Amino acid sequence: SQQGEEDPQALSIQEGENATMNCSYKTSINNLQWYRQNSGRGLVHLILIRSNEREKHSGRLRVTLDTSKKSSSLLITASRAADTASYFCATAPGGSNYKLTFGKGTLLTVNP
Amino acid sequence: EPEVTQTPSHQVTQMGQEVILRCVPISNHLYFYWYRQILGQKVEFLVSFYNNEISEKSEIFDDQFSVERPDGSNFTLKIRSTKLEDSAMYFCARWEESGAGYTFGSGTRLTVV
Repeated sequence: SQQGEEDPQALSIQEGENATMNCSYKTSINNLQWYRQNSGRGLVHLILIRSNEREKHSGRLRVTLDTSKKSSSLLITASRAADTASYFCATAPGGSNYKLTFGKGTLLTVNP
Repeated sequence: EPEVTQTPSHQVTQMGQEVILRCVPISNHLYFYWYRQILGQKVEFLVSFYNNEISEKSEIFDDQFSVERPDGSNFTLKIRSTKLEDSAMYFCARWEESGAGYTFGSGTRLTVV
């Protein structure tokens, strides 16, 4: 898999259900970030987790990071129709450049 | 913190023409970036700009591309002679020194015909 690759590619759930998206990467990272993109719009930063962190919460979002498996997951609890969007993970390498490598994203559809 | 805004939101240009994409306003941040996203594909890194110099660029960022910070607040991406394959959404971004990640602009959709 490529650096920052999400699965599933598409996920369709009912409102109120939880949505889990996974991300795998290949090289060592400084941090991993999750972004959201509504169709044709810009990227919105959701959450950043550093390589020395294992879990982070922000509202209805929960992110885990397993550096031994080079993987991360994003959990959205109690989903809403407004959560419908594409979700991308992006990895930042060590050093000071903070250049991001994005995955292809997971298209989440939350049905009302 | 002010948002990152980009102009124009959509630009259509003839193949071979020059385009300038603008990112305004930007505050006193040190790191700025341009990314692009071809329709249906992943977001790709183009170039990073630190302290008014290019710090890293990707293979995509060839001689047809250039970046400037002409007046300390605007941040521009110029494509000298556009090709059909340059059609994409172009995003500028700044790195938040607080470590909160990037703030991305709303994007410019470039269509080369």
